[in-house]
Amino acid sequence: GAVVSQHPSWVICKSGTSVKIECRSLDFQATTMFWYRQFPKQSLMLMATSNEGSKATYEQGVEKDKFLINHASLTLSTLTVTSAHPEDSSFYICSAPQGGGDNEQFFGPGTRLTVL
Amino acid sequence: LAKTTQPISMDSYEGQEVNITCSHNNIATNDYITWYQQFPSQGPRFIIQGYKTKVTNEVASLFIPADRKSSTLSLPRVSLSDTAVYYCLVGGGWTGGFKTIFGAGTRLFVKA
Repeated sequence: GAVVSQHPSWVICKSGTSVKIECRSLDFQATTMFWYRQFPKQSLMLMATSNEGSKATYEQGVEKDKFLINHASLTLSTLTVTSAHPEDSSFYICSAPQGGGDNEQFFGPGTRLTVL
Repeated sequence: LAKTTQPISMDSYEGQEVNITCSHNNIATNDYITWYQQFPSQGPRFIIQGYKTKVTNEVASLFIPADRKSSTLSLPRVSLSDTAVYYCLVGGGWTGGFKTIFGAGTRLFVKA
């Protein structure tokens, strides 16, 4: 099956700094990617839809100025958490559909962000 | 996007068959039903997908009744390594922009 990678797998940063997380589709092109965050023992919450060559679409309640998304190529989307605070500590996961008529998503392994 | 409802948790023993049912009363004509498995600190992993009737692969079966308002994931002879959270998702593929909304999922605990 298709593979989606994320980098880094974990990151620790100080409050007030910015952190960039990369999501790559390794063996297919993805014009659309999705970003989720997941708190312990909770489900995945969709944050935004990343669109190649255009602005991201954010879900209600997600601050677009805080979570900057850039989909610069057909295989790479980045999520930048700006001015991170401890409450931003979470597990961030990206996904990409391979583009068929069904709804199968390929998920990255996730990035654990800890803000001190 | 159709909302899904699943049991919050289930317990089973090794070697038993486990059936997890998901309700999706508002499923749309173009929607597929997809099940994912997630282990702690990992991204979800695709298990199986179907549109109607029955689908079987090497790890699971998916039963979908004619009205498609529910679906049942069947895991034959579970093992301890099947302890995970299972999510049922309903979505419209490319017609729905591939957008996927996760419900609460079912936490399956397999005991020895």
